[in-house]
Amino acid sequence: DAGVIQSPRHEVTEMGQEVTLRCKPISGHDYLFWYRQTMMRGLELLIYFNNNVPIDDSGMPEDRFSAKMPNASFSTLKIQPSEPRDSAVYFCASSRQGSTDTQYFGPGTRLTVL
Amino acid sequence: GESVGLHLPTLSVQEGDNSIINCAYSNSASDYFIWYKQESGKGPQFIIDIRSNMDKRQGQRVTVLLNKTVKHLSLQIAATQPGDSAVYFCAEKSRGGSNYKLTFGKGTLLTVNP
Repeated sequence: DAGVIQSPRHEVTEMGQEVTLRCKPISGHDYLFWYRQTMMRGLELLIYFNNNVPIDDSGMPEDRFSAKMPNASFSTLKIQPSEPRDSAVYFCASSRQGSTDTQYFGPGTRLTVL
Repeated sequence: GESVGLHLPTLSVQEGDNSIINCAYSNSASDYFIWYKQESGKGPQFIIDIRSNMDKRQGQRVTVLLNKTVKHLSLQIAATQPGDSAVYFCAEKSRGGSNYKLTFGKGTLLTVNP
């Protein structure tokens, strides 16, 4: 099993630019989670999907952030326009059933907004 | 101005010693707890979990203890090895409904000295 795949692994962009982060969950997993990790706030859940449907997006910081899951094997997290305070490591995770099933994390995307 | 980062609790042990990492949680409604290990540059990796109807659970070289009275969770690592050096996070899930959110603690940095 390839595990959760994220791309790119590193992204450096300038303030105001659009950033798109990508995630491929583990095949057969029905739940997909997007997290953000910073030194100040630790690991925070942004949004999660069940069967491609967004269930809870209360962790999304503001309207500049959006996430989609067009099919069971692909999800995107978009930031438009990006700001320096968005600099963080963004993780995607997936799980089979969600509730008490193990969440498997991808390697993360380190985003730097200049 | 520059943001002040979190100062992670740090535990430094000698190779071969046992390690105990502690975590306090605040939500008495939490019914499921997980320990994750995060190595530098990687995503969190599941170690062991425990449900609230249990006090203790053992895995390979790891034991998790849950004290619901004082809302305390601990991870014990036996015969700590250099490969155990990482940041360890506890995470909790609140009971009820369709809430599959995990809330992560701030983490503890474990350093194993050879």
